[in-house]
Amino acid sequence: GAVVSQHPSRVICKSGTSVKIECRSLDFQATTMFWYRQFPKQSLMLMATSNEGSKATYEQGVEKDKFLINHASLTLSTLTVTSAHPEDSSFYICSALRLAGGKNEQFFGPGTRLTVL
Amino acid sequence: QQQVKQSPQSLIVQKGGISIINCAYENTAFDYFPWYQQFPGKGPALLIAIRPDVSEKKEGRFTISFNKSAKQFSLHIMDSQPGDSATYFCAASPYNTDKLIFGTGTRLQVFP
Repeated sequence: GAVVSQHPSRVICKSGTSVKIECRSLDFQATTMFWYRQFPKQSLMLMATSNEGSKATYEQGVEKDKFLINHASLTLSTLTVTSAHPEDSSFYICSALRLAGGKNEQFFGPGTRLTVL
Repeated sequence: QQQVKQSPQSLIVQKGGISIINCAYENTAFDYFPWYQQFPGKGPALLIAIRPDVSEKKEGRFTISFNKSAKQFSLHIMDSQPGDSATYFCAASPYNTDKLIFGTGTRLQVFP
């Protein structure tokens, strides 16, 4: 159990276009999902917390108008990179929060490699 | 300040040996300490996690040792295998949130 998928796995786009990445929890419901960004050989940087039915919470320094998050259902959150530029090229990873008796656990998707030309 | 320091940055171990990765934190308001394994081009996978009321947790070849007074925790991989070659991240979660603060990662290479 606790499987999280992401689509697409890889995307290449032209500068100035928008790209949407989907994150789905396949076998559990997740009222909360997280979006991370990871640069090569670096750690995961939390971008935002996605909450079903409400606005996302962004970390300091993350532009909410550039990284649009929509958590439309208990199994789906989307991240849209608007007006993408080469500096937005990165590995984007989502996680879904599974409620547990003690501390809730995050389960991660396989990631999406975004390349902006 | 909420920060998790991880060492070493890279580790080379012979097959069958013990791999040890260490993490330290400063903020005492953490109540959950997971370890994740990440293969190149993939998302992190939860390996094992511990809470501060326990000093050790073992699952198969993986053991977490937790020292609350020293604010340190470590991952031990017994009988390391080439298939364990990956990047390992420790993390910590503040007690009033589900967020995770990740360490900087350790690249483990296990040679036959």
